[in-house]
Amino acid sequence: KQEVTQIPAALSVPEGENLVLNCSFTDSAIYNLQWFRQDPGKGLTSLLLIQSSQREQTSGRLNASLDKSSGRSTLYIAASQPGDSATYLCAVSNGNQFYFGTGTSLTVIP
Amino acid sequence: DGGITQSPKYLFRKEGQNVTLSCEQNLNHDAMYWYRQDPGQGLRLIYYSQIVNDFQKGDIAEGYSVSREKKESFPLTVTSAQKNPTAFYLCATKTWQGAYYEQYFGPGTRLTVT
Repeated sequence: KQEVTQIPAALSVPEGENLVLNCSFTDSAIYNLQWFRQDPGKGLTSLLLIQSSQREQTSGRLNASLDKSSGRSTLYIAASQPGDSATYLCAVSNGNQFYFGTGTSLTVIP
Repeated sequence: DGGITQSPKYLFRKEGQNVTLSCEQNLNHDAMYWYRQDPGQGLRLIYYSQIVNDFQKGDIAEGYSVSREKKESFPLTVTSAQKNPTAFYLCATKTWQGAYYEQYFGPGTRLTVT
């Protein structure tokens, strides 16, 4: 069964810093990987989706990379802002199901 | 305004009562999912449905039941057999985008059972 791990579990950085969140998965037979943001008590908002044939995707200050063969993805956030404070989850899809990591809780300190 | 609606946002029940959580979507997506989220545990799959009148158990289906009579609706019933029902419940849809699958989430329902 697919296992998804996210490191670190929590991260606190001063405003303006660049940061990297990590996601690893055990089965490389995936269709795609999706990064989500979750604010407290809210649903998940999709940030970036990388197809299995792609290496990276970018949206504004966010850049996600995928190394399918090694089972790893990173989410790079440039010039962090207090509004980026949230929990970030990654999920991989095998077509029928999505498997989620436990998330990284990010706090950006003004 | 397309999206996924979950109601209510907060739900309180006494132990031993069944309760049904609503999930409605107007995205015209075929597949719908129910997840449970507990602190520090990520999302766990309860049930999913790929088409109307068909659904499959996820990893933690015991104590839950679902129906899929309409494409737009996928209600989840939390029965009295569920040992620890207090949690945040998320409904999602899935759509094929031509080369990949993408999930969309509703705002969630927080269920508290005392």
